[in-house]
Amino acid sequence: EAQVTQNPRYLITVTGKKLTVTCSQNMNHEYMSWYRQDPGLGLRQIYYSMNVEVTDKGDVPEGYKVSRKEKRNFPLILESPSPNQTSLYFCASSLYYYNEQFFGPGTRLTVL
Amino acid sequence: ELKVEQNPLFLSMQEGKNYTIYCNYSTTSDRLYWYRQDPGKSLESLFVLLSNGAVKQEGRLMASLDTKARLSTLHITAAVHDLSATYFCAVAPGQNFVFGPGTRLSVLP
Repeated sequence: EAQVTQNPRYLITVTGKKLTVTCSQNMNHEYMSWYRQDPGLGLRQIYYSMNVEVTDKGDVPEGYKVSRKEKRNFPLILESPSPNQTSLYFCASSLYYYNEQFFGPGTRLTVL
Repeated sequence: ELKVEQNPLFLSMQEGKNYTIYCNYSTTSDRLYWYRQDPGKSLESLFVLLSNGAVKQEGRLMASLDTKARLSTLHITAAVHDLSATYFCAVAPGQNFVFGPGTRLSVLP
């Protein structure tokens, strides 16, 4: 089944404890992206990747890192999480940047 | 900085009625996308509009794009309860995406 998977789906952590949210797609898509969703703000793009080893900042990249070493994986790294990063995170992928995006199931992160 | 607005933000309508959701944006873009999100779920793609004048239809939903006016519309015809969801437009000026705040639609019997 063609899909985007994210792990973990739920995470509660404490301020300053490094964490990684994984994202993987099995559709051979070139473009991958991370978003955070907060009430009333819609989705805001954190980082995106046009292809392997090519990443770029979205609108809200501060406090986040990404890497794209393989085409299928695009992990989101929070080196020192803070409470204002408590949010619902979505990974998405598309064949190319102009195609429709397929979204993962979401990861709900709480930083205490 | 690109700003994307949607109107209305909340919409309660009766089954069988027609309505339009508006998405307007502040800078030039030739690409606009519509997504649907059910409560507690992820997003699914509805329409991809890639040029001025593009019109796409699927079932009771029809989307259009006017790049000169920087406006897209999502028209709902003869609404049914299954259309209750939050609808997002997303504008793509380059390789990045900027989403609107979403329109929460409730279709009442």
